[in-house]
Parts: sequence; C-alpha cells; structure tokens
Amino acid sequence: GAVVSQHPSRVICKSGTSVKIECRSLDFQATTMFWYRQFPKKSLMLMATSNEGSKATYEQGVEKDKFLINHASLTLSTLTVTSAHPEDSSFYICSVSTSGSYEQYFGPGTRLTVT
Amino acid sequence: GDSVTQMEGPVTLSEEAFLTINCTYTATGYPSLFWYVQYPGEGLQLLLKATKADDKGSNKGFEATYRKETTSFHLEKGSVQVSDSAVYFCAPSSGSARQLTFGSGTQLTVLP
Repeated sequence: GAVVSQHPSRVICKSGTSVKIECRSLDFQATTMFWYRQFPKKSLMLMATSNEGSKATYEQGVEKDKFLINHASLTLSTLTVTSAHPEDSSFYICSVSTSGSYEQYFGPGTRLTVT
Repeated sequence: GDSVTQMEGPVTLSEEAFLTINCTYTATGYPSLFWYVQYPGEGLQLLLKATKADDKGSNKGFEATYRKETTSFHLEKGSVQVSDSAVYFCAPSSGSARQLTFGSGTQLTVLP
C-alpha cells in the first residue's frame, strides 16, 4: 500500500491564529485525498474530498472558509485551519486514494490543540 | 447516505479467546466493505476487505464475510493475542467518490 505522511504530527497554536497541516503521499499517485476529523473515543468524520487540481468537496456542516484545502499535486494536500478556536482542537487525519480504487491509505494523523 | 452500526465497546478478552465484532451497514447499491485497525498512537491501517457478496476477507488471522442478505460484515478471530489490542473500524465504501463511512469503532483490549 501507499506510504502517507503528515506534518506536523502535533501542533499547539493560540486562538485566532491559523495552522497548516500537510499530507504527503510518498510513493503513490494520489488522485483523490480525503480529510477526516477524529474526536476522542469517536469515529472518523469525513470533512472533505479533494481531487488533484480541483476544488475540494466539503461535507455538510463543514465550513469551507474555515478549513481550507489545497490539493495542488498528486503527492501533496494541505489543510489550513483558519482563525482556530479551542473547539477546533482535534485529531486530523488524511487519506489518499487513486482513481478507480476503493482503497484508502491513511496518514498517521495530526493532533491540533488550540489554546 | 451510508451508515454503519458497529458493536459498542470496549471489549476485553483474555489471550487466545475468540473474538467477534459485529457490523451492519446500510448503503446505496453494492458497496465494498472494509475493516480498518488503529493501534495506539498510530494511523488507520487496512485490515481486510471484501468487494462483493459472499466474499471473505482475511488477514493476520482475522476474517469477515460479506453478507448481502443481512447487510453485515462481522469481524472474527479464533484466538486473539495481546498485540491485537487496538480500535477496529468497520467501513463500507460506495458512491462515485468512493467515500468511506466509518462505524463508531470498537476498542479491543486483550489481556495476557
């Protein structure tokens, strides 16, 4: 399967600032990337789906102006949490997939804490 | 949209016990079905999958059979090990975007 990395693995930021999380597919042409949010002891919630070179498709209830997603290449997608607030504190996970496949390969996740 | 009902945890077993984690789903059409595992401090890993009715996915001693008639994909292992302690997620995948819909996750703890 694909090797997916996320950077940073942990980040602490102050309320009102923005933070960028990178998701890289190291050995895989990721035509599609997914961003999830995982709350403690809860399931993964899909935030958005992005196809390389296109605008992301956001799930209902996810603010696209707050969670900016860029998928500029087949190996890199970024999630920027703008004007972060404590309620944005969570574990953010990306996954990658390729066209025609149902399989997704997941990154290790990024723990965001907003103080 | 798709939905998944997964056995509530946590589940605590002794080593070498038999494991079943129930999973039922609702989905449009004929989804592919997956079990993912998340070990402590790590990301999700694909454990096994089945892409059509009656298929059996298997890996590392775990098995699950795609039951279309009961819309179920129960995970089983005959003899669990301490190293199997993790959170297990059932997830169908369907639709043009092939999105996964995750169950709530089942925390498994295996005691020596």
